Amino acid sequence: NAGVTQTPKFQVLKTGQSMTLQCAQDMNHEYMSWYRQDPGMGLRLIHYSVGAGITDQGEVPNGYNVSRSTTEDFPLRLLSAAPSQTSVYFCASSYSVSLRTGSDLAFFGQGTRLTVV
Amino acid sequence: SQKIEQNSEALNIQEGKTATLTCNYTNYSPAYLQWYRQDPGRGPVFLLLIRENEKEKRKERLKVTFDTTLKQSLFHITASQPADSATYLCALPKDSNYQLIWGAGTKLIIKP
Repeated sequence: NAGVTQTPKFQVLKTGQSMTLQCAQDMNHEYMSWYRQDPGMGLRLIHYSVGAGITDQGEVPNGYNVSRSTTEDFPLRLLSAAPSQTSVYFCASSYSVSLRTGSDLAFFGQGTRLTVV
Repeated sequence: SQKIEQNSEALNIQEGKTATLTCNYTNYSPAYLQWYRQDPGRGPVFLLLIRENEKEKRKERLKVTFDTTLKQSLFHITASQPADSATYLCALPKDSNYQLIWGAGTKLIIKP
């Protein structure tokens, strides 16, 4: 049982390049999300999904796309990388989609450290 | 707007003492609050959840309190050990159904 697996762990991109960060979970969780973590700031939600075929924007969605074709996978695409997207990216999953009243804990991947030069 | 604040300064504690971390929030009434631990280069790991109708929750050397009047949660580690050194994050559900908001975390350093 691997939990949440993210790849790659490190990546350097040039401005304007595109790439996809991969995320897979093997816990049959309905809810999956992508966060970015910057120094001195809390985790900020980029996009999330409440099930296969359903995605929505979080707090900071600009410059990123997601899709959810299966329950297991939730890739994050950077369309045209910018230095402002230099950050550590985390994928997380939870069993419950109802976060307001539910209490399911979030499982996180190991993170991807992305540098855009 | 909904906001969470954690002490941004690192907390230095002598081994064996109790460490207390604070999480304050404004402008809403969450149904629960979660605490996570994050080690350098790793993703956050869930520690404890406390609901709005619970005053206190314990797990081994960990204790969390939740004061909905003060809009504050306190996270205690008793008999602290150097292995407890990490960054501790709090998280609450946003008013919308599908989002958590996170504090920036407090770095805890336990000195031998």
